[in-house]
Amino acid sequence: QVQLVESGGGVVQPGTSLRLTCATSGVTFRHYGFHWVRQAPGKGLEWVAVISFDGKTEHYAESVKGRFIISRDNSLNTVHLQMNSLGAEDTALYYCVKDRIQLWSPIFVLENWGQGALVTVSS
Amino acid sequence: DVQLTQSPSSLSASVGDRVTITCRASQNINNYLNWYQHKPGEAPKLLIYASFTLQNGVPSRFSGSGSGTDFTLTISSLQPEDFATYYCQQSFVFPPTTFGQGTKLDVK
Repeated sequence: QVQLVESGGGVVQPGTSLRLTCATSGVTFRHYGFHWVRQAPGKGLEWVAVISFDGKTEHYAESVKGRFIISRDNSLNTVHLQMNSLGAEDTALYYCVKDRIQLWSPIFVLENWGQGALVTVSS
Repeated sequence: DVQLTQSPSSLSASVGDRVTITCRASQNINNYLNWYQHKPGEAPKLLIYASFTLQNGVPSRFSGSGSGTDFTLTISSLQPEDFATYYCQQSFVFPPTTFGQGTKLDVK
C-alpha cells in the first residue's frame, strides 16, 4: 500500500524559508514522478511543482518559480520542497502526490496523496 | 494557462439522486481531464482519469465523459459517503496543470 507522509510544516515569519519532506513507502520510488499541491484556507487545489522519476526534469507554478525548489533522493525514497522568501500567500496545506504514470509523461494523473503539511506564514 | 470552470459551484442533493457536475476548459484539452473527490480532513482521492477511466477501487456509480472542452462527472445514485468537494484537473497544457474551482456537494 502506497503511503506518503509529509513533514516539516510550521509557523514562520514572512521572508523566511522552510523545507518540507515527503517520506514514501509501498512504491518503487525511482519509477515515478512526484508533485506538490497546496490548498490555502477556504480555497481550492493549486498545483505547485513536479519532479520527474529521475530528478532531471522539474516544473513550477508561476506563483512559486524562483522561490521554491523541488528535489528528490532516490536512495532514501524522499521528496523535498525547499520554500524560500515565504509570504502570506504561501499559507496552505501542502500535499505530496505521486503520479500514476511510470517514468516521465506530461499526462499528470495525481494518484496517491499524503495527508498534508500545514505551512503558516505570519508575523 | 488553461482555465477550468466547474458548474455548479455548489449543489445540494439527496441520497439516491443522480448528480452531474460539469467542467469546461478554456481551450481544447483533448481527453486529459481527471476528477478528484476531497473530504474535509482527508487526502484528495483520484476518481477518474483520462476523462472516463475509473480508478481502481472506485465504485461504478461514478462515471466521466467528454472530450475537447466539455466534460462531466456523474454519480448515478448518490450514497452518504459521496458528500464532498469535487475537482477537475487538466494536464494537456502544462506547466501548469490546473484545477477547477471545485464543486461542493452537500445534503439537501
